[in-house]
Amino acid sequence: DVKVTQSSRYLVKRTGEKVFLECVQDMDHENMFWYRQDPGLGLRLIYFSYDVKMKEKGDIPEGYSVSREKKERFSLILESASTNQTSMYLCASSFWDWSNEQFFGPGTRLTVL
Amino acid sequence: GDSVTQMEGPVTLSEEAFLTINCTYTATGYPSLFWYVQYPGEGLQLLLKATKADDKGSNKGFEATYRKETTSFHLEKGSVQVSDSAVYFCALRKFGNEKLTFGTGTRLTIIP
Repeated sequence: DVKVTQSSRYLVKRTGEKVFLECVQDMDHENMFWYRQDPGLGLRLIYFSYDVKMKEKGDIPEGYSVSREKKERFSLILESASTNQTSMYLCASSFWDWSNEQFFGPGTRLTVL
Repeated sequence: GDSVTQMEGPVTLSEEAFLTINCTYTATGYPSLFWYVQYPGEGLQLLLKATKADDKGSNKGFEATYRKETTSFHLEKGSVQVSDSAVYFCALRKFGNEKLTFGTGTRLTIIP
């Protein structure tokens, strides 16, 4: 079975903290994605990566960075967390073929106080 | 830019009712179209997809037909069950582009 796991289901951090969200997939997928999900806005792409050490900005990259040192792992970093980054964060992965489906992890609900 | 518009929720139906969730899109070219479902406490999973005009995607009793003339991909099910309660997302993807563009999601609740 395809499996995308995220390091935490729930996370509470304080404003200004550096936050790491980890995502691991076991399908040998080339592509990995980070989205945030907000009510009334759907899912918005933050960053994606199509290979190790490669990354591209999505629609809302401001305030975020990413790291992909190994094929199976994709990290989202909030350099200095702010309250407007309180959200649900979803990781996804897929094979390198535009027609392939993306497989999603269960999400991390981040609250920034 | 590309966009997806879904009917606003929440939608509440009785068990065995007929379901339609509307989805229209704006995109250049010929995108592929998807419906994803998110059950409570879970991530999204692909429900069905269609890659060209007039294709019909189907899965678990759900269907959607890619209508290029009306730029629509409405989700239908003839008889819903309580277990269909979830949030449904319509999405598109352009040829050669890894990025999915999502609608805002429609929360569906089925009451016994």
